[in-house]
Amino acid sequence: AQSVAQPEDQVNVAEGNPLTVKCTYSVSGNPYLFWYVQYPNRGLQFLLKYITGDNLVKGSYGFEAEFNKSQTSFHLKKPSALVSDSALYFCAVRDKDRTYKYIFGTGTRLKVLA
Amino acid sequence: DADVTQTPRNRITKTGKRIMLECSQTKGHDRMYWYRQDPGLGLRLIYYSFDVKDINKGEISDGYSVSRQAQAKFSLSLESAIPNQTALYFCATSGTLGSPLHFGNGTRLTVT
Repeated sequence: AQSVAQPEDQVNVAEGNPLTVKCTYSVSGNPYLFWYVQYPNRGLQFLLKYITGDNLVKGSYGFEAEFNKSQTSFHLKKPSALVSDSALYFCAVRDKDRTYKYIFGTGTRLKVLA
Repeated sequence: DADVTQTPRNRITKTGKRIMLECSQTKGHDRMYWYRQDPGLGLRLIYYSFDVKDINKGEISDGYSVSRQAQAKFSLSLESAIPNQTALYFCATSGTLGSPLHFGNGTRLTVT
């Protein structure tokens, strides 16, 4: 079965430092991978995706993610964190059979400290 | 205006009541989804629909039903609400293969 794991419930980082939010996945075949961000009282917003091609994917708000097939990981990164990046982040994988289902991780809360 | 609109934003109801959550979209997407968010559990799929005539159960469909009234409208019903259905509910749409989901702002449902 397809699955996504976000091993950290919370990540704390100082403003200006680099941040990493981890995600590993288990799928059969080639995955479609996504990162979403959720701010309080809002729906999830799409940040970036990996379908094929370069392993380093750039997305919104200065975020990027690195696809690593051998480690089945898709970690979210940003070179310099901002306080406004504090939010809940979800990794998701697209189910490749006909169902078009998206499977989400449990989320990682990022706190950027001033 | 939001591309995916959910109503109501907040709802408090009593155990045993039937309630409906509504979702409408202006993105022109065929695929629509209902998810439930609980702390520590992420998002879990309740139902999804690929078009008006194609509705499918997700991983946690028990106690819920849906109606796809038109391409743009997808409603979720709780036939007889119970307290463990207290959660944040999201409607989402998606377009072609590989495209991301587009979410509404959610409905916070409390069942007392």
